[in-house]
Amino acid sequence: QQQVKQSPQSLIVQKGGISIINCAYENTAFDYFPWYQQFPGKGPALLIAIRPDVSEKKEGRFTISFNKSAKQFSLHIMDSQPGDSATYFCAATDSWGKLQFGAGTQVVVTP
Amino acid sequence: EAEVAQSPRYKITEKSQAVAFWCDPISGHATLYWYRQILGQGPELLVQFQDESVVDDSQLPKDRFSAERLKGVDSTLKIQPAELGDSAMYLCASSSLAGSNEQFFGPGTRLTVL
Repeated sequence: QQQVKQSPQSLIVQKGGISIINCAYENTAFDYFPWYQQFPGKGPALLIAIRPDVSEKKEGRFTISFNKSAKQFSLHIMDSQPGDSATYFCAATDSWGKLQFGAGTQVVVTP
Repeated sequence: EAEVAQSPRYKITEKSQAVAFWCDPISGHATLYWYRQILGQGPELLVQFQDESVVDDSQLPKDRFSAERLKGVDSTLKIQPAELGDSAMYLCASSSLAGSNEQFFGPGTRLTVL
């Protein structure tokens, strides 16, 4: 049973466009929501993360929006670049640090 | 820059054979995780160690999988016997504290079972 649901499965965006990936969760014990970026043949790398007491966090071109009441959070990639082409995973953890990953979104940025 | 090391990077084996994967976490990281990532899916936790002790192995198929971290540093994950459904990427991650949210992943071992 997947505890974090992620959509879309894949998306194609033109260079300079905005990529938006959405995630939803049920477990209210989750208290940390990271996003990981994974390139083919590599392990996931932490991109950006947020805690539920904050509604938005921005780091460079990457922004997380968090809606605690709806139990949803999303990643926005502004000014998407070809180098952003990768698979993105949302995740959630409780106080024990056990990561529950979403199924992933493959992002392709076309030149 | 400190990294999690894993070997081998690729492993091809026949079903019913035994395989083993090795992980060396970032120096000083007390918590070590093994994940399995099936193609097209997110990683799923198999086992979590705090130093040399198993904290969570609820998702580890214990009839064929075993994991150890004898000295609380590097770790080995073993599968015996391997089955076709074990084909996946096996990822190791480490973090500095139990309950620490930031986990650092290694490059993984891609296992193919024929």
